[in-house]
This record gives sequence, C-alpha cells and structure tokens, in this order.
Amino acid sequence: QSVLTQPPSASGTPGQRVTISCSGSSSNIGINYVHWYQELPGTAPKLLIYANNERPSGVPDRFSGSKSGTSVFLAISGLRSEDEADYYCAAWDDSLSGWVFGGGTKLTVL
Amino acid sequence: EEQLLASGGTFVQPGGSLRLSCAASGFTFRIYALSWVRQAPGEGLEWVSSISGSGDNTYYADSVKGRFTISRDNSKNTLYLQMNSLRAEDTAVYYCVKHEGFRGNSHFEYWGQGTLVTVSS
Repeated sequence: QSVLTQPPSASGTPGQRVTISCSGSSSNIGINYVHWYQELPGTAPKLLIYANNERPSGVPDRFSGSKSGTSVFLAISGLRSEDEADYYCAAWDDSLSGWVFGGGTKLTVL
Repeated sequence: EEQLLASGGTFVQPGGSLRLSCAASGFTFRIYALSWVRQAPGEGLEWVSSISGSGDNTYYADSVKGRFTISRDNSKNTLYLQMNSLRAEDTAVYYCVKHEGFRGNSHFEYWGQGTLVTVSS
C-alpha cells in the first residue's frame, strides 16, 4: 500500500491528452513539492517533472504538471507511442522524514 | 556526463549480509545527496535510504531501519549500502540515485542502472 495514490493504469490514442493523478496528504503533497518519474520498459527511471510543474531540459513541453491541495496531476498532450511507460509521483514526507512514492501508473498508447 | 554504476548485487540466503557500492563520475560528488531506491520484480519504486552530501545526515525507510546502513566516501566518489539480516522481501533491483542538491529532501535528479539483489533459500 503506497502512501501516494495513483491509478494503476491509464490509456489513450495517439494525439490525445491523458491525465494521471496522484493524491497524498498534508504531510507530503500538501506542504512539499511533487516530482514525476518516467520508467520506460527495461530502463532506469528518469526525472520528468520536478517541483510540481517544472520540466528538466530535454523533456518535451507535451508533459506538464499541476497541483491542487493534496493532489497533483501529470498531463501528457499529443500522446505518442514512445510515451508508453510507467509513471511515478514522489514527494518528501515530513511526518516520515523520508520519501514516498505512488504505486505507479502504467500508460498504454492504444 | 554523469554516471552512477551500482554493483554488488547477487544471490544471498535469508539472514545474510551484502554490501552494495555505487561508483560516481561526471559531477562534484561531495555536494550532492544520494539515495538508494529499490524495485521488487513486477512492483513499483520504493525509497530505501538517503544521505546528505557531507554524510552527516542519513534517512531510512521503516522497512529497512536497523538492518541497512547507508554511507559514502567522498574521497572515492562512492556510495555504499550495507544490508544485514536480509529477508525475501528485500529482493529487488537497487538503484543508486543522485539528488538535485546537498540535502536528502531535494528531488531525485539522475538514476543509475540498478543492481539485482535476490534473497532466497
């Protein structure tokens, strides 16, 4: 049981916009930044979004993040086949003095 | 180019011990916090432990507290994870991860390739 809650799966067709949610609590998402990681099949995770809505250099602007209260959202627009991957949210938890992850969302491009 | 090369993963019996290493290059090692994050077969990511750039501050997940010890040697650009009293549920790929900043609560910025630990009788 993960501290952060994500839907286990999401899907869309090429060109569509897909949104993945991540919900937490006042000790993690409510007071700290949330970061998103993309895990392509057979590869190590990669930073996708940091500080709720910032993109590292090299990440397309098709990927965006937003936050509302104790929930965050990852949006992927103009869906492409190469976006098929597992997506994880993560945040520092002040009560646990440690990092917590969502359970991951497997994105399928139909 | 930043690189994190984890090693030391192998097959070990329950109750056994193992030390993982992570050799870093391509960045100023001593100014960045580092972590170990693991992924059990077919499962999601689980944070294990973090250490500040100086090594003065360490953090552990409840699942490994008292059994695992994180450390670093800034003169050798190497991160370690001493794993004792291993259990079957510790079976996972262990990733070495560089943070964005000096402190353990800065975000994970770069993930190295993992090393597989299998705990089984």
